[in-house]
Amino acid sequence: KQEVTQIPAALSVPEGENLVLNCSFTDSAIYNLQWFRQDPGKGLTSLLLIQSSQREQTSGRLNASLDKSSGRSTLYIAASQPGDSATYLCAVKRRGSQGNLIFGKGTKLSVKP
Amino acid sequence: NAGVTQTPKFQVLKTGQSMTLQCAQDMNHEYMSWYRQDPGMGLRLIHYSVGAGITDQGEVPNGYNVSRSTTEDFPLRLLSAAPSQTSVYFCASYGVVTGELFFGEGSRLTVL
Repeated sequence: KQEVTQIPAALSVPEGENLVLNCSFTDSAIYNLQWFRQDPGKGLTSLLLIQSSQREQTSGRLNASLDKSSGRSTLYIAASQPGDSATYLCAVKRRGSQGNLIFGKGTKLSVKP
Repeated sequence: NAGVTQTPKFQVLKTGQSMTLQCAQDMNHEYMSWYRQDPGMGLRLIHYSVGAGITDQGEVPNGYNVSRSTTEDFPLRLLSAAPSQTSVYFCASYGVVTGELFFGEGSRLTVL
């Protein structure tokens, strides 16, 4: 059974710091991995999608990497800002599972001014 | 740019009452799903549909019913609400072309 783990559960950093959020999964037979952002009381917004054949994806200050063989993905946020404060979730899609994703429980990020 | 729309955003029910959470998407996605999100439990799949007329159970289907008569709509029915169904419910649709899952804003349900 696929399990997705995100450590730490919460992280507090000062503004301007570069930071890394971690995601690990137990079954390397994934189709893709997606990182989401969730603001309090809101839905999930897709940040980055990495296909299983890719090593990384970048969008602005965000960079997500994927090491399928070791079952790990990282989300790198450069020059963090208070507006980056949110919960970040990763999710994996198994091959042949249609759109069913397995989610981690998220990392709650707080960026202090 | 409506995307995935859920209604209502908030609902309070008494134990034993029934209700329907509505979900609609305008992206012509075949795949739609319902998740519930609970503190410490993360997001768990309730039911999903791969197209009109086709539905299947997810990880936590008990107490919920779904149907899919059109591509656009995927309502979630609570047949007899229980306090354990107090949660935030998210509807999502999946774009095969991009491989991304798109979420609605959520429906916060409290069962007293």
